[in-house]
Amino acid sequence: DAGITQSPRHKVTETGTPVTLRCHQTENHRYMYWYRQDPGHGLRLIHYSYGVKDTDKGEVSDGYSVSRSKTEDFLLTLESATSSQTSVYFCAISELPTSNEQFFGPGTRLTVL
Amino acid sequence: QQQVKQSPQSLIVQKGGISIINCAYENTAFDYFPWYQQFPGKGPALLIAIRPDVSEKKEGRFTISFNKSAKQFSLHIMDSQPGDSATYFCAASMYGAGGSNYKLTFGKGTLLTVNP
Repeated sequence: DAGITQSPRHKVTETGTPVTLRCHQTENHRYMYWYRQDPGHGLRLIHYSYGVKDTDKGEVSDGYSVSRSKTEDFLLTLESATSSQTSVYFCAISELPTSNEQFFGPGTRLTVL
Repeated sequence: QQQVKQSPQSLIVQKGGISIINCAYENTAFDYFPWYQQFPGKGPALLIAIRPDVSEKKEGRFTISFNKSAKQFSLHIMDSQPGDSATYFCAASMYGAGGSNYKLTFGKGTLLTVNP
């Protein structure tokens, strides 16, 4: 596996609470991504980063924010979690433009009650 | 707007059979078409990818067929094995695109079950 870790791996929280998920890479790749995976929807891009402090929105960015202060860390924050944000969240990295391949982390299962 | 449509949603194949999963795309600017394989509890992993300068790419038992005029591509798994049971995602993007314009668009996935 590519050197990608996600923390926590599982989390249960209550509606209205803030949640931060962390993605850490040891590959020094420039691009990092956050996806959510839901049955019947596949993988949907939330936000991505193309460099330190350079981020952009994906197709399902509402209710989420991100930050990248170091090459190796990409944080996803749910400012006020809702039940609709119950999902499995995956972080991915790639070294564009050298390679289009994305390497995925092991995922974080988030349950919002 | 779903830019990559994948079918079927699920597929059951007998051991030794051929598994075929299809995808269609809309954006003619796409020129990179990967397939990802995901086992339960794991993140997706790149299986095989193709660019439109070739109509077919084969790696072992896995083959991508690409039809540029129809804007379709498919994954064929020959001699399917129970270990191939997984969820398969097709995807599309602009190859080498960087900056703020790069996005990999995924299909909704196909759950493949290979019975022994």
